[in-house]
Amino acid sequence: GAVVSQHPSRVICKSGTSVKIECRSLDFQATTMFWYRQFPKQSLMLMATSNEGSKATYEQGVEKDKFLINHASLTLSTLTVTSAHPEDSSFYICSASSGTLNYGYTFGSGTRLTVV
Amino acid sequence: GEDVEQSLFLSVREGDSSVINCTYTDSSSTYLYWYKQEPGAGLQLLTYIFSNMDMKQDQRLTVLLNKKDKHLSLRIADTQTGDSAIYFCAASGDKIIFGKGTRLHILP
Repeated sequence: GAVVSQHPSRVICKSGTSVKIECRSLDFQATTMFWYRQFPKQSLMLMATSNEGSKATYEQGVEKDKFLINHASLTLSTLTVTSAHPEDSSFYICSASSGTLNYGYTFGSGTRLTVV
Repeated sequence: GEDVEQSLFLSVREGDSSVINCTYTDSSSTYLYWYKQEPGAGLQLLTYIFSNMDMKQDQRLTVLLNKKDKHLSLRIADTQTGDSAIYFCAASGDKIIFGKGTRLHILP
């Protein structure tokens, strides 16, 4: 149980376009979802926290207008990278929590974004 | 802010035990995790321990938690070549904070 599906796993897009990444909790209701970004040879960086039905809380230094997060239902959160630039190329990972899981958080498998 | 620290690199001979250490700052952390990341792959949850536990064993993996010192360790017994990966320590309270990861290198 407690599976989080993240889609797509890999995406290549052109500069200036937008890309949407989906994070779904398959067998539980995720009241809270987190979006992380991983830079090469670095740890995951928390980008934002979203609670279902509320606006996301962004970490310092993360541009809200560039990284749009929507958590419209208890099983789906989306991250849209708008007007993508090559420096947005990274590995994006979501995680979800229902608050009742016995180990707190479940992670998606990640999305490798390459902006060309 | 809250922080999780771990050494960046560890070399171990095949068949020996690997011990990866981690320290964290948030005393309110409720869960401590160990994740494994193989090249090009996502995070894989290896094991976790609740903050009121001292030890947890799962096959070749042993997690030790010293809550007083905020120190967490992961011991991998009989290290194999397939254990070569980056291991992330993470602590969760209101949010989950990851360490930078320890790259485990297996020597023949």
